[in-house]
Amino acid sequence: KAGVTQTPRYLIKTRGQQVTLSCSPISGHRSVSWYQQTPGQGLQFLFEYFSETQRNKGNFPGRFSGRQFSNSRSEMNVSTLELGDSALYLCASSLDTGGVGNTGELFFGEGSRLTVL
Amino acid sequence: AQSVTQLDSQVPVFEEAPVELRCNYSSSVSVYLFWYVQYPNQGLQLLLKYLSGSTLVKGINGFEAEFNKSQTSFHLRKPSVHISDTAEYFCAVRSRTSYGKLTFGQGTILTVHP
Repeated sequence: KAGVTQTPRYLIKTRGQQVTLSCSPISGHRSVSWYQQTPGQGLQFLFEYFSETQRNKGNFPGRFSGRQFSNSRSEMNVSTLELGDSALYLCASSLDTGGVGNTGELFFGEGSRLTVL
Repeated sequence: AQSVTQLDSQVPVFEEAPVELRCNYSSSVSVYLFWYVQYPNQGLQLLLKYLSGSTLVKGINGFEAEFNKSQTSFHLRKPSVHISDTAEYFCAVRSRTSYGKLTFGQGTILTVHP
């Protein structure tokens, strides 16, 4: 069974540009979450999607956005890039049945490493 | 809201020695607890999780953790480490109604020396 796939693995952008990252979850998983990992702030939750709807959102500015498609694949976009956006962006999928108290484990991809110059 | 504190940023240890990585959490609601490992240039891999029931949880690669509700701790242990255990370890919590949102500690870098 294929794991969580993130593309691209590495990318370099300049300040002011925008970037789109892609995540393909494990087959059958309907929940996709995104995290930002930096040396200074550690792992921080960006947002989570389930059945094309954002269910949960972290404390990031509006420049960070995401969406989920009907096949559960997800994209996140960062506009007007800043130097501080340089980070490893991790996607995780979960076999979430949608019920309260769901114990679904999060399976992580290998991440997309973004460098902003 | 939840918070997680990993008490040691770095833990050096010799091969075949025991190790304990400490984790304390704070939450006003019931939570699930997790330990993840991250090898260089890779994503996170789940080592073990506590959902309910027995407070001693066994995971992969010989790791185990004990949930202590009164001390709000979830320390990770391994009786004998290998060189291949060198990695960064993250403790995380999730409330039972928090969809997909894990709150992570700052991580502990475990370095196993020969």
